[in-house]
Amino acid sequence: DTGVSQNPRHKITKRGQNVTFRCDPISEHNRLYWYRQTLGQGPEFLTYFQNEAQLEKSRLLSDRFSAERPKGSFSTLEIQRTEQGDSAMYLCASSAPGQANTEAFFGQGTRLTVV
Amino acid sequence: AQKITQTQPGMFVQEKEAVTLDCTYDTSDQSYGLFWYKQPSSGEMIFLIYQGSYDEQNATEGRYSLNFQKARKSANLVISASQLGDSAMYFCAMRELLSNDYKLSFGAGTTVTVRA
Repeated sequence: DTGVSQNPRHKITKRGQNVTFRCDPISEHNRLYWYRQTLGQGPEFLTYFQNEAQLEKSRLLSDRFSAERPKGSFSTLEIQRTEQGDSAMYLCASSAPGQANTEAFFGQGTRLTVV
Repeated sequence: AQKITQTQPGMFVQEKEAVTLDCTYDTSDQSYGLFWYKQPSSGEMIFLIYQGSYDEQNATEGRYSLNFQKARKSANLVISASQLGDSAMYFCAMRELLSNDYKLSFGAGTTVTVRA
């Protein structure tokens, strides 16, 4: 399968614990995005990488959130000291270099539940 | 700031019939792009169709067509000959400029349920 892969698919954690999610984009895609989706809402932009450089971060991304893409391939999203409000689906997307109408390909997401 | 509005939280459609999903947008940009994505219960966002602001013809992809009315700032999705597998959430999205690239901004979505 050459699509965007996200792991784990589901994560249940206790409030205050740290969690880390991984995203493997399509291999030739240099753009990588993280989105957060709460129940009944559309995805909200969190952050964007072009190759290994993190070029944009949303105000939604508090200091407890950090994302990396060390070699310009896979990316990780870490949430420290999780709160119940962090419960959501975390989606990763990648797209190829080129025209602005290039579609973004999404993974199946990681569903986080903070108890 | 750009904004996408989808006013229909949920819709029911009979199998083999057509359904129209509404999307209006707000932008001051002259050049922009509009996308529709499908999200089944598995969670993955599946790209359906794209319309550029300068495209003179409405986009079509198989059973999907986009009714683009630029003056009204609307980009409605039409699904023809609905199938049971079309039951999902549908999101309208707009390409929004980042500092040196683009991101997608999404509406709240419409849940479509196809009845046999």
